[in-house]
Amino acid sequence: QKEVEQNSGPLSVPEGAIASLNCTYSDRVSQSFFWYRQYSGKSPELIMSIYSNGDKEDGRFTAQLNKASQYVSLLIRDSQPSDSATYLCAVNLGERDDKIIFGKGTRLHILP
Amino acid sequence: EAGVAQSPRYKIIEKRQSVAFWCNPISGHATLYWYQQILGQGPKLLIQFQNNGVVDDSQLPKDRFSAERLKGVDSTLKIQPAKLEDSAVYLCASRLQGPGQGYTFGSGTRLTVV
Repeated sequence: QKEVEQNSGPLSVPEGAIASLNCTYSDRVSQSFFWYRQYSGKSPELIMSIYSNGDKEDGRFTAQLNKASQYVSLLIRDSQPSDSATYLCAVNLGERDDKIIFGKGTRLHILP
Repeated sequence: EAGVAQSPRYKIIEKRQSVAFWCNPISGHATLYWYQQILGQGPKLLIQFQNNGVVDDSQLPKDRFSAERLKGVDSTLKIQPAKLEDSAVYLCASRLQGPGQGYTFGSGTRLTVV
């Protein structure tokens, strides 16, 4: 059973600080990794994707990938109250490019 | 670019009744997915279509759930008869073909079975 594991939280971070969200996955063959943000009562929204080991930055967001450790993380710099949401880690299934599986998500709460 | 359209937004039915959800993907997106998201959980894939063919329905409870995608565009997901544990948000997503493409989700249908 291929799995994506996340700490469910809630993770509470003061406004302006760095929020660090972590995810591990079980399938060594996975090649594509995604972070989705989901506000309460809304559908998931893709915010970052990463395919190569190392860091990928987009504005205040940085995705980090370590395939050897089967670990992917998301850093949010200068956290804002609007970043309060559930963050879903998603990983493509094996060699199948067209199917991704999701973790249960980490609830992030930014404290004003 | 128009997003993934879903309807209805909300539905309340009694157990053993039937219900249907509709999805219109982004134009040009050949791949369409139906996911079930139970409160506090991540989305779980129910069925995947490529154009009008089923690619993966291994996690679809086929005794009560059915789905179709006629003409490779719109799709409907049906539950008959519904059970209490079917209460969830049903998300439709579509995707461009090609490596590393993420999904775009619709707004979802929140189903409550009472």
